[in-house]
Amino acid sequence: GEDVEQSLFLSVREGDSSVINCTYTDSSSTYLYWYKQEPGAGLQLLTYIFSNMDMKQDQRLTVLLNKKDKHLSLRIADTQTGDSAIYFCAESNNNNDMRFGAGTRLTVKP
Amino acid sequence: DVKVTQSSRYLVKRTGEKVFLECVQDMDHENMFWYRQDPGLGLRLIYFSYDVKMKEKGDIPEGYSVSREKKERFSLILESASTNQTSMYLCASRTPGGLSYNEQFFGPGTRLTVL
Repeated sequence: GEDVEQSLFLSVREGDSSVINCTYTDSSSTYLYWYKQEPGAGLQLLTYIFSNMDMKQDQRLTVLLNKKDKHLSLRIADTQTGDSAIYFCAESNNNNDMRFGAGTRLTVKP
Repeated sequence: DVKVTQSSRYLVKRTGEKVFLECVQDMDHENMFWYRQDPGLGLRLIYFSYDVKMKEKGDIPEGYSVSREKKERFSLILESASTNQTSMYLCASRTPGGLSYNEQFFGPGTRLTVL
């Protein structure tokens, strides 16, 4: 079946940039998403990108999409301790199937 | 403010018990989903429902069933709980997307422990 993969852990220092990477296999993906899960909470949509775009910027967040390589990344500028969470990459296709990665646990050290 | 609520945040049950996990959304969404979340495995889809009284199997339906009698409520049932069903269970809802962007809204999760 189709798959979404991301590394499980990332640790950065406060003030540095964080880059979380994701790869997917579904060539019919229409939208790609980044969700954030804070401790003890459900997932919250952080940002999304349509598959015909290659970049989207929203304040401290930059999403880059390389559709040819099926690679998605989320860059968080000036990372703060409040950004510590699990970040899930997800993709959906024309059939409305949605697949999630395993989640990357971002730890921000002061 | 949109809301998806789940009946319990934490639940402890014994092997063999019948377990009901309830999810309610107040956004009039047609689609509802049940996932389980396990470390290193991310979210795996158990069952989903496109509308009232409709249900579809997800990727890991074995050992589970669901009920959708009302649009706002989607229940996950463990007929006979087993220890390998110890997990975090997440409910989500959304409007049907078709070719357009659609966001899934998640509840806070129920952490179920089966002893």
